[in-house]
Amino acid sequence: AQTVTQSQPEMSVQEAETVTLSCTYDTSESDYYLFWYKQPPSRQMILVIRQEAYKQQNATENRFSVNFQKAAKSFSLKISDSQLGDAAMYFCAYRSAGTGNTGKLIFGQGTTLQVKP
Amino acid sequence: NAGVTQTPKFRILKIGQSMTLQCAQDMNHNYMYWYRQDPGMGLKLIYYSVGAGITDKGEVPNGYNVSRSTTEDFPLRLELAAPSQTSVYFCASTKNSYNSPLHFGNGTRLTVT
Repeated sequence: AQTVTQSQPEMSVQEAETVTLSCTYDTSESDYYLFWYKQPPSRQMILVIRQEAYKQQNATENRFSVNFQKAAKSFSLKISDSQLGDAAMYFCAYRSAGTGNTGKLIFGQGTTLQVKP
Repeated sequence: NAGVTQTPKFRILKIGQSMTLQCAQDMNHNYMYWYRQDPGMGLKLIYYSVGAGITDKGEVPNGYNVSRSTTEDFPLRLELAAPSQTSVYFCASTKNSYNSPLHFGNGTRLTVT
């Protein structure tokens, strides 16, 4: 069974600085997708970024980028120029992509990010 | 489009009571999911459905039941509520099972006392 681990329960960053959130996963599959979701205090789940495992190029979305290391099974999220609105809980998630997959996401435990003004 | 709509937003139940959490989506998504999120934790899958009439258990199905009679609706039934079911419940749907992201409802906060 696949597992996702976020080893940093809490992180803090100064406004305008850069922070990296860690995520590792365990799988025997070669084809899968990885996602980062943001959950602000409103508890809404917001997609931040996604990565296809077959793509070597790291995904980027404006100030958000990932460092995808397939061999190491690592998928970290880098937030550049941090803003107060980035304060939230961040979840890393895994989805199988093989035949018959059900689309379900497996989530990590989450990392709470605090942004200091 | 309303997206994924969950009702109610909040609910307090007494031990042993039953209730149904409603979930509806208007995006014609075949895949739907119920997750629970305990305080400070990640989301755990309760049940999921890959289409009308098809449901299956997730990681933590005990104490819950689901049905999927239409593409739009995926209600979650709690029978004999227990304090361990105090949690925030999220319904989600997706267009396909690979690269399409999950669309989440805003959650239902349930307290069982």
